[in-house]
Amino acid sequence: EDQVTQSPEALRLQEGESSSLNCSYTVSGLRGLFWYRQDPGKGPEFLFTLYSAGEEKEKERLKATLTKKESFLHITAPKPEDSATYLCAVPGKDTGRRALTFGSGTRLQVQP
Amino acid sequence: DSGVTQTPKHLITATGQRVTLRCSPRSGDLSVYWYQQSLDQGLQFLIQYYNGEERAKGNILERFSAQQFPDLHSELNLSSLELGDSALYFCASSGPSAETQYFGPGTRLLVL
Repeated sequence: EDQVTQSPEALRLQEGESSSLNCSYTVSGLRGLFWYRQDPGKGPEFLFTLYSAGEEKEKERLKATLTKKESFLHITAPKPEDSATYLCAVPGKDTGRRALTFGSGTRLQVQP
Repeated sequence: DSGVTQTPKHLITATGQRVTLRCSPRSGDLSVYWYQQSLDQGLQFLIQYYNGEERAKGNILERFSAQQFPDLHSELNLSSLELGDSALYFCASSGPSAETQYFGPGTRLLVL
């Protein structure tokens, strides 16, 4: 069974304090690892897709990386507006790789 | 704005009732996915439709059903509602390659 585990569950940073969020996965035949950002009460907002180990993608203060067992979302010099829950997901085997299996998320709070 | 629309935004109803949630996918997307997000379960996949046909099923209760219409909008029907059905319900859509899923703003259902 595919598993996606995110850590930490919650992270509190000061503005400008860089850090990383972790997403470890147990998937046979990875067909992409997806990162989403979700604000309270809102729908997940797509950030990145990574397909192969060594791949990196960047968007503003965020950079996502992928290894064979985990993905990291690096946040450089975060601002209060980066506060959100960050979700990672993989196409789940039990749905023929059609639907996403999500991790439980990391709640990030950036204080000014 | 992802381009996926959902109505209504909020829904309050009583146990035993039936409700219908509506989703319009992004222009050109043929796939629609329904997810449920509750505090204790995280984001859980319910069901997927592709161009009017059911393609994948997740942990969808027998009291729940969905359909996709010729104009590609989808409806999720929830019947015999229970208190535990209170959650956020999200619709997502994806293009022909069925890779990145874009989520709508969600419908918040409260069953009293």
